[in-house]
Amino acid sequence: GESVGLHLPTLSVQEGDNSIINCAYSNSASDYFIWYKQESGKGPQFIIDIRSNMDKRQGQRVTVLLNKTVKHLSLQIAATQPGDSAVYFCAETPAGTLTFGKGTMLLVSP
Amino acid sequence: ETGVTQSPTHLIKTRGQQVTLRCSSQSGHNTVSWYQQALGQGPQFIFQYYREEENGRGNFPPRFSGLQFPNYSSELNVNALELDDSALYLCATHRDSYNEQFFGPGTRLTVL
Repeated sequence: GESVGLHLPTLSVQEGDNSIINCAYSNSASDYFIWYKQESGKGPQFIIDIRSNMDKRQGQRVTVLLNKTVKHLSLQIAATQPGDSAVYFCAETPAGTLTFGKGTMLLVSP
Repeated sequence: ETGVTQSPTHLIKTRGQQVTLRCSSQSGHNTVSWYQQALGQGPQFIFQYYREEENGRGNFPPRFSGLQFPNYSSELNVNALELDDSALYLCATHRDSYNEQFFGPGTRLTVL
């Protein structure tokens, strides 16, 4: 499939490491923040979301942290696996639509 | 798999032509949003349809138009194609205002 990752910031990690992907958002009025994973040739896939009144939410192997003071969002992936290799986007939801950030490519080496 | 399908998978058109892209909704999802994703960029919101009515629009010109049908499937139409319209076009469906949008695999449009 075609690459979605040209000219994106890239994070390279070893299998088993923990990964942290960061994102700055722009709209203070956004009520939800969402992380999506996009593999080559596929549409974005929902990973985890967090409401604006929370600062941390945990899922299976993933944790999202929200710092509204500096408008910063991060995604932590524990024990990263080769199948985690993809482009990761943060998105914010002002008015029920999604506004995506630029994305980060995660490369996981065995 | 999300249950959202798009057709065609790939399409090649020339400048000035018109194109129609299609999206079938996941069962029970009455809202569809369309996005344009240029290579190396995040998806950009084009517009959203809720129960057959346009329910929000991004910063795209009127030559980008859409339809939603009673079965909640949807079309994106682009008239007078320009080279910069070359991109991956994604649709995403969800129920009412629920924020987890389910994306289709996209249609890759190339304008020559």
